[in-house]
Amino acid sequence: GENVEQHPSTLSVQEGDSAVIKCTYSDSASNYFPWYKQELGKGPQLIIDIRSNVGEKKDQRIAVTLNKTAKHFSLHITETQPEDSAVYFCAASQGSYIPTFGRGTSLIVHP
Amino acid sequence: DAGVIQSPRHEVTEMGQEVTLRCKPISGHNSLFWYRQTMMRGLELLIYFNNNVPIDDSGMPEDRFSAKMPNASFSTLKIQPSEPRDSAVYFCASSYVVAGLGEQYFGPGTRLTVT
Repeated sequence: GENVEQHPSTLSVQEGDSAVIKCTYSDSASNYFPWYKQELGKGPQLIIDIRSNVGEKKDQRIAVTLNKTAKHFSLHITETQPEDSAVYFCAASQGSYIPTFGRGTSLIVHP
Repeated sequence: DAGVIQSPRHEVTEMGQEVTLRCKPISGHNSLFWYRQTMMRGLELLIYFNNNVPIDDSGMPEDRFSAKMPNASFSTLKIQPSEPRDSAVYFCASSYVVAGLGEQYFGPGTRLTVT
C-alpha cells in the first residue's frame, strides 16, 4: 500500500515569512495529492490539490509542487499570517477516492 | 449545505460502556468514511461505505468496533465495550465519488474520552 512521509512535524515562522512542508510517497501509481488544513477543534479541510499531470499549482498565497520522478510534493505558503497557524496534512492516492495521509505538520506563525 | 454533521461533539464514558457516534453526510454524497485521529498514529481510516454498503473495514481495530449505514443520510460507529485506548477524535467524512474521483469533506469530529 501507499506510504506517505511528511516533514517537518513542527514548523515555526515569523509573520510574513514563507513556510514549506514536504512529503514523499511510495506508490508510483498515485496520481492525486491533496493538502488539508486542520484548525483547532475542527476537521481537516481541503485547501489545495494537485494531480500528476501538473507540476505546480497556485492559489493566492498557497502553491503546491510535484516531482513524480522523485515521488515528492511540497506545500508553499508565502507571506504567512497568524491565521495560517494550524496542522497541515498531505495525502496521496490513486484518483481521489481513498487518500493515505501523512502524519501532519503543526505550523505556528508568530505575530 | 450544513456540511458533515457529527454528534456528539464530546463524549466521556467509563471503560466497558457502549459508545455510539453519529454522522450525517452531505446531502447527495454517495461515500462515507470513518477516521480515528490520535497523536501516536495520526489519521487512520477505519471503514468506508459506498452507496450505503461497507466496502473496506480492514482499518477497524477490533471486533469491538462496528459501523452501520442504514440509509444515505445517516451512519453510526459503535464501540462495545469501550476501553481507555479508544480515546481519540473520530471523524466522519463524505464525498461524491464518480469514476473513482471525489474529494472528501470532513465533519468537526467527536472527541471520545474513555476513563
